[in-house]
Amino acid sequence: DTGVSQDPRHKITKRGQNVTFRCDPISEHNRLYWYRQTLGQGPEFLTYFQNEAQLEKSRLLSDRFSAERPKGSFSTLEIQRTEQGDSAMYLCASSLSRSDTGELFFGEGSRLTVL
Amino acid sequence: QKEVEQDPGPLSVPEGAIVSLNCTYSNSAFQYFMWYRQYSRKGPELLMYTYSSGNKEDGRFTAQVDKSSKYISLFIRDSQPSDSATYLCAMIWSDKVIFGPGTSLSVIP
Repeated sequence: DTGVSQDPRHKITKRGQNVTFRCDPISEHNRLYWYRQTLGQGPEFLTYFQNEAQLEKSRLLSDRFSAERPKGSFSTLEIQRTEQGDSAMYLCASSLSRSDTGELFFGEGSRLTVL
Repeated sequence: QKEVEQDPGPLSVPEGAIVSLNCTYSNSAFQYFMWYRQYSRKGPELLMYTYSSGNKEDGRFTAQVDKSSKYISLFIRDSQPSDSATYLCAMIWSDKVIFGPGTSLSVIP
C-alpha cells in the first residue's frame, strides 16, 4: 500500500478561479478527512466522510467549499471563486472507523497559492 | 480561548538534551490524547497515543496526561537531529481529531 496520495501537490491560481484537489485514501479505510493548515498553525478540520456519506462539515467552511466522495473511495475538494485567504496546505487523511486509536493517516498535502 | 494551546516555539536544543513539550486544553470531555509529529513539507504522523491519565513510554518518548489540570506533555530523551520537526498535540472529539498549533523543535548536532 502506498498510503494516502494527494494531487496536485502544489497549485498556483489567480483570485476568483476554481480549484479542485483529489485525495486517494488507503484502500481499506472507510473514513476520509479534509483539513486545512496555514503556516505556524495545526491542521484545522474541514469535513469528513464515512464511506460515501459526508457526516460533518466545519462551521468555518464557507459555501465556496464543497467536497465529495462519490463511491466511497477517492474524494475531491473544490474551492470556487478562490480568495487570497484560501492560500493554505490542504491535507487529506484516512482512517478506519473501528480503529482502537482513531489514528489518522495523512497524505503529503496539496499546497494552494492564490495570487 | 482556543480548545487546544501549545507554546509555538521555536525550541532549539543541543543533541542529547531532554526535551519537554507541553499542551493545555479546555474541554474536560476530551479522553483520547495523541502526539503527532510533522516534518517539513510532510503530513503529520502519529507518534504517541494515550487514553488515561498517567505516563506512557515508547522508546525515547514519554507521554504524560494530567486530566485534572487539562495538561499533557511529551518528553523526548537523548534527542537526535532526526527529531527536528513540529510536534502537534491532539485530542479525539466526536470522531474528529482536534489539533493544537504545534511546537517547532530543532535539535542541533
